[in-house]
Amino acid sequence: LAKTTQPISMDSYEGQEVNITCSHNNIATNDYITWYQQFPSQGPRFIIQGYKTKVTNEVASLFIPADRKSSTLSLPRVSLSDTAVYYCLVGDGGGYQKVTFGTGTKLQVIP
Amino acid sequence: GAVVSQHPSWVICKSGTSVKIECRSLDFQATTMFWYRQFPKQSLMLMATSNEGSKATYEQGVEKDKFLINHASLTLSTLTVTSAHPEDSSFYICSARVLGTVSGDEQYFGPGTRLTVT
Repeated sequence: LAKTTQPISMDSYEGQEVNITCSHNNIATNDYITWYQQFPSQGPRFIIQGYKTKVTNEVASLFIPADRKSSTLSLPRVSLSDTAVYYCLVGDGGGYQKVTFGTGTKLQVIP
Repeated sequence: GAVVSQHPSWVICKSGTSVKIECRSLDFQATTMFWYRQFPKQSLMLMATSNEGSKATYEQGVEKDKFLINHASLTLSTLTVTSAHPEDSSFYICSARVLGTVSGDEQYFGPGTRLTVT
């Protein structure tokens, strides 16, 4: 299983763009990269998933360099409601392989 | 998107009793479900992987006789905490895997169940 490393915490002011980087040096060829958001006492919520280059949806962008050993979740113009823990997961995209949660990044948005 | 429900959302039980937590995929079939446990201010810890119609695979250190998992259908998995003790108090979260075609797998998580053992 590919292990992930993220910053433990980050602070950002409202309205700013936030970039959270995740390292996954031993990512396997068929592994996808998935980011989740978790609020206290709630289950994680899927944000975005990608394999390479750039993926964008209505809430975030995911940047993955060519070597795929890291990825960056970009949240445009954060608001107070984006205060949460963000998890980067790496796992097999085609089978039943389990994924393991790392420590996650606690994002605190400041007014 | 795919919806996963859990029942109950919270439960308080006395030490020594057993508690069952249900996890349902509401609008899709899940051949694989996962059970996690999360202590305060910590990350999710995978307890077991549950495949429909077969025995669950438990992570190292998780007692299979204490945490009974049943995945009898493609939409329902249950976790039973037997002879619960205060140290079993935690936030239990299930997830269901949706096998992808082009974009890879996605896991959808339930809202969690807060278990308090007194």
